[in-house]
Amino acid sequence: DTAVSQTPKYLVTQMGNDKSIKCEQNLGHDTMYWYKQDSKKFLKIMFSYNNKELIINETVPNRFSPKSPDKAHLNLHINSLELGDSAVYFCASSPREAGPYGYTFGSGTRLTVV
Amino acid sequence: AQSVTQPDIHITVSEGASLELRCNYSYGATPYLFWYVQSPGQGLQLLLKYFSGDTLVQGIKGFEAEFKRSQSSFNLRKPSVHWSDAAEYFCAVGTSNNNDMRFGAGTRLTVKP
Repeated sequence: DTAVSQTPKYLVTQMGNDKSIKCEQNLGHDTMYWYKQDSKKFLKIMFSYNNKELIINETVPNRFSPKSPDKAHLNLHINSLELGDSAVYFCASSPREAGPYGYTFGSGTRLTVV
Repeated sequence: AQSVTQPDIHITVSEGASLELRCNYSYGATPYLFWYVQSPGQGLQLLLKYFSGDTLVQGIKGFEAEFKRSQSSFNLRKPSVHWSDAAEYFCAVGTSNNNDMRFGAGTRLTVKP
């Protein structure tokens, strides 16, 4: 019944590895997002996809590559992981126009790079 | 681009006391404003939102917020805090022109017995 689900919940990996985080929503929303929350709880948008099309790509290293096979899924692949990538990554979704509706968030993926 | 400031990093209140969390926004037109709550180890949950109409909005868990255009503020209030309200609270601003919601830095609420 979970509206926005992310896997895995925890991810511990070594520097230089490549990893993926998966996100799925069953709300029928058109738009999905990835946010990064740092150790000070600051939330920063990374990517936004609308109907499988990239619409926002903030200043994020190109080691991060989002992939949206359909509008219900938005995965995040990270190459050559670095210590600074350690954070909590949140997936979220919203109807087409995010303004009046707000987002529904997943429960987050805590990535630890050692 | 729009932005949000939450002036208080950490607030401590006693259980049963009233609460007000401050939020100031910057945006040239009428913003869409939100408050979210994040419990430890959890994602963000929407408490309430404002985009038009009555400037006092009611949300879940007994929270309310008031939009004051003249002060560019959207402060969150609760008349009597419960221990379960201890969490991180985020104010956010969105617009009608894009799908990019900006979040404040958050206010951590501690509730004393």
